[in-house]
Amino acid sequence: DGGITQSPKYLFRKEGQNVTLSCEQNLNHDAMYWYRQDPGQGLRLIYYSQIVNDFQKGDIAEGYSVSREKKESFPLTVTSAQKNPTAFYLCASSPAQGGGYTDTQYFGPGTRLTVL
Amino acid sequence: AQKVTQAQTEISVVEKEDVTLDCVYETRDTTYYLFWYKQPPSGELVFLIRRNSFDEQNEISGRYSWNFQKSTSSFNFTITASQVVDSAVYFCALSEAKGGANSKLTFGKGITLSVRP
Repeated sequence: DGGITQSPKYLFRKEGQNVTLSCEQNLNHDAMYWYRQDPGQGLRLIYYSQIVNDFQKGDIAEGYSVSREKKESFPLTVTSAQKNPTAFYLCASSPAQGGGYTDTQYFGPGTRLTVL
Repeated sequence: AQKVTQAQTEISVVEKEDVTLDCVYETRDTTYYLFWYKQPPSGELVFLIRRNSFDEQNEISGRYSWNFQKSTSSFNFTITASQVVDSAVYFCALSEAKGGANSKLTFGKGITLSVRP
């Protein structure tokens, strides 16, 4: 079945460590996104990528980094510079047809990161 | 700048009651898209509906219905005869029509719906 997978589901890290969250999709979507969700808050955009080898900062990119070497993969690294990394992280993808057309974003199951 | 307001934070109903979730949005664009997503306890966001700004027709899908009113900048969601499985957090979101991944979503803070047996 087509879909978006994120791993791991739960992740624990010590302060000062970098950690990478995985996001893979087999929907053949061009665009991929990373969001952060805090309790009682909506989703906030961290980074997004329209095509391979291209990505743009979202609203809260500081302390995060991404890469887009393959169409189906968009890993997110939470660096030690991120001051409050404990949150729920959601990856999404969309066909991104362009031309002023807004596609629907489809989401993965999420990774819950806890910094100890 | 875009903004989505979901003034209700938590709603609790008894099974079989009807419930309406409110969404008010702000945008300067004439072309935009509105979305509703459901987030069950498992965490994954499930897409429910997308509506563009030129289509003000109400939509019904089973027990779900949506009322889009540009005059009041609202896109409300009604669940008829609610069920326990409807318990979730519901998000309303807005996107400008800039094309591709540049059409970023702005989310409301979500409404936690609890349906009691």
